[in-house]
Amino acid sequence: QSALTQPRSVSGSPGQSVTISCTGTSSDVGGYNYVSWYQQHPGKAPKLMIYDVSKRPSGVPDRFSGSKSGNTASLTISGLQAEDEADYYCCSYAGSYTVFGGGTKLTVL
Amino acid sequence: EVQLVESGGGLVQPGRSLRLSCAASGFTFDDYAMHWVRQAPGKGLEWVSGISWNSGSIGYADSVKGRFTISRDNAKNSLYLQMNSLRAEDTALYYCAKGRPGGISGSLFDYWGQGTLVTVSS
Repeated sequence: QSALTQPRSVSGSPGQSVTISCTGTSSDVGGYNYVSWYQQHPGKAPKLMIYDVSKRPSGVPDRFSGSKSGNTASLTISGLQAEDEADYYCCSYAGSYTVFGGGTKLTVL
Repeated sequence: EVQLVESGGGLVQPGRSLRLSCAASGFTFDDYAMHWVRQAPGKGLEWVSGISWNSGSIGYADSVKGRFTISRDNAKNSLYLQMNSLRAEDTALYYCAKGRPGGISGSLFDYWGQGTLVTVSS
């Protein structure tokens, strides 16, 4: 049950786009279309941003999008805003368990 | 409005036990899988355990298998986590999270509580 691999940090200026990668294996990310992404602001509970690779819950801006290719999933945030600065975690189903990535800190410059 | 309220955390000595509870409201509790996810201080998220709507399907992370037991009482709209043989590395904020309708397959946690802090220390 190894954690998925995410970059520790990414950054971008307001209005720009950033992409956060999430690399797993054929036993988790590559094996199921059950990748989700969570946003967490300091001291707050995580918030679901993307599920089933690319679906957005109601209320999540369409600036947030998800995709997957092979064993790597990606979260893209376009039109960066100051309030997007947070930690982002990917998550994948892996058959008999669920595994998270280590998290990526997004800094809006 | 969906609400998940965890309770039962606290300071406990290594080797001892603790039982966490999660009171759910605002949705039809017995239609959904439920999960526990934890976050050690300053660290990332770790899935701990999940239980299907009817308790027929249960899963655990390897790190807690054999020590933790998840359960639910649909009549009371409540989720539980019995934690035995606690270790220092179990110190974390424990979140209750609402899953998909039915089973625990598929990683989707669409509502989270605010968490209850468990500290394992002598």
